[in-house]
Amino acid sequence: DQQVKQNSPSLSVQEGRISILNCDYTNSMFDYFLWYKKYPAEGPTFLISISSIKDKNEDGRFTVFLNKSAKHLSLHIVPSQPGDSAVYFCAASEWGNNDMRFGAGTRLTVKP
Amino acid sequence: NAGVMQNPRHLVRRRGQEARLRCSPMKGHSHVYWYRQLPEEGLKFMVYLQKENIIDESGMPKERFSAEFPKEGPSILRIQQVVRGDSAAYFCASSLQPGLAGGGSYEQYFGPGTRLTVT
Repeated sequence: DQQVKQNSPSLSVQEGRISILNCDYTNSMFDYFLWYKKYPAEGPTFLISISSIKDKNEDGRFTVFLNKSAKHLSLHIVPSQPGDSAVYFCAASEWGNNDMRFGAGTRLTVKP
Repeated sequence: NAGVMQNPRHLVRRRGQEARLRCSPMKGHSHVYWYRQLPEEGLKFMVYLQKENIIDESGMPKERFSAEFPKEGPSILRIQQVVRGDSAAYFCASSLQPGLAGGGSYEQYFGPGTRLTVT
């Protein structure tokens, strides 16, 4: 049962432009969402999170938007840089629950 | 300020052998999580442990897999009688506290993973 879906396996953008990575979830009990970034041969690193009491959280070039009614969140990276090229995982859980569900990931390539 | 450490980074086992994967959490973290990533798939939760206790093993296969986090030493994920389908990357993560209403640091910090290959 895939409760967190990232329907785009890959995304390619030009350096300096905006990257938008999307994530959908099915479990309405999820109220905490995270994005992780993963380089080859490394573990995922935490990027940004958002709780369901917010609809937007910003950290430098990274902004996460949450649309609870649509059960959809997105990660915006602007401006995109070649060093952002990695696999991005969306994760969701209920606050206090350890069973964090991950999407399959989206491979972002930022071209110079 | 070492991060989460996992060893070995690569492990090759023949079918039927045992695999032991080790994870040392970040300093001060007492919550450990194990995840498995199969090729072309996302991370799948396996088990959550605190010192000497298994808190949630709902993602753990019922047979051949076990995990522990002793009072002293690293957390161990043990796979007995490995089969080819066990070939995957196994990631360990740790957190300071699990999600606590009103506070706590929920973010999990991941180790570099152990890539298990079963031949």
